[in-house]
Amino acid sequence: GAVVSQHPSWVICKSGTSVKIECRSLDFQATTMFWYRQFPKQSLMLMATSNEGSKATYEQGVEKDKFLINHASLTLSTLTVTSAHPEDSSFYICSATEQGHEQYFGPGTRLTVT
Amino acid sequence: AQSVSQHNHHVILSEAASLELGCNYSYGGTVNLFWYVQYPGQHLQLLLKYFSGDPLVKGIKGFEAEFIKSKFSFNLRKPSVQWSDTAEYFCAALDNSGGSYIPTFGRGTSLIVHP
Repeated sequence: GAVVSQHPSWVICKSGTSVKIECRSLDFQATTMFWYRQFPKQSLMLMATSNEGSKATYEQGVEKDKFLINHASLTLSTLTVTSAHPEDSSFYICSATEQGHEQYFGPGTRLTVT
Repeated sequence: AQSVSQHNHHVILSEAASLELGCNYSYGGTVNLFWYVQYPGQHLQLLLKYFSGDPLVKGIKGFEAEFIKSKFSFNLRKPSVQWSDTAEYFCAALDNSGGSYIPTFGRGTSLIVHP
């Protein structure tokens, strides 16, 4: 099946710094990529949807200036958490899809902000 | 807006018991339906999907789901669970008519199977 990778798998950063997370579709071209947050024992919270070459569409309540998403190619999307704070600590998951098909999920990135 | 409801938040079963997890979606148009599973420490992966055709869908590891349009449901079933089925299960629906292709996930069901 299709593979989606995320890098890094975990990261610890200091409050006020920025962190970039990469999401790559390894063996297919993803027309759409999604970014989620997952809280312990809870479902996925969709943060934003990004299509290659266009601006990301953010869900209500998600600060687009804080969570910068770039989808520069059909195989790469990045999420940058700017000026991170402890409340941004979470598990961030990306997924990639070809339109209307199932999503292929990355393994997730555990972000801890100290 | 579309919503997906999973009625069972926590399910505990013994091995060999039968499983049925409920999933209802709100949208009345054309939808694609999915069940995903997240095993402990692993990432989400697809169990099965329904796009069209036979409403009884077979997935991996002996799972199946039935699409009942009149009930807006897509319940997941397995006749005999195993300890290795312990995981989080997520139902998802995707509006296939508007061209947005944004999926909606249910809040998930935590399944624990005792050996």
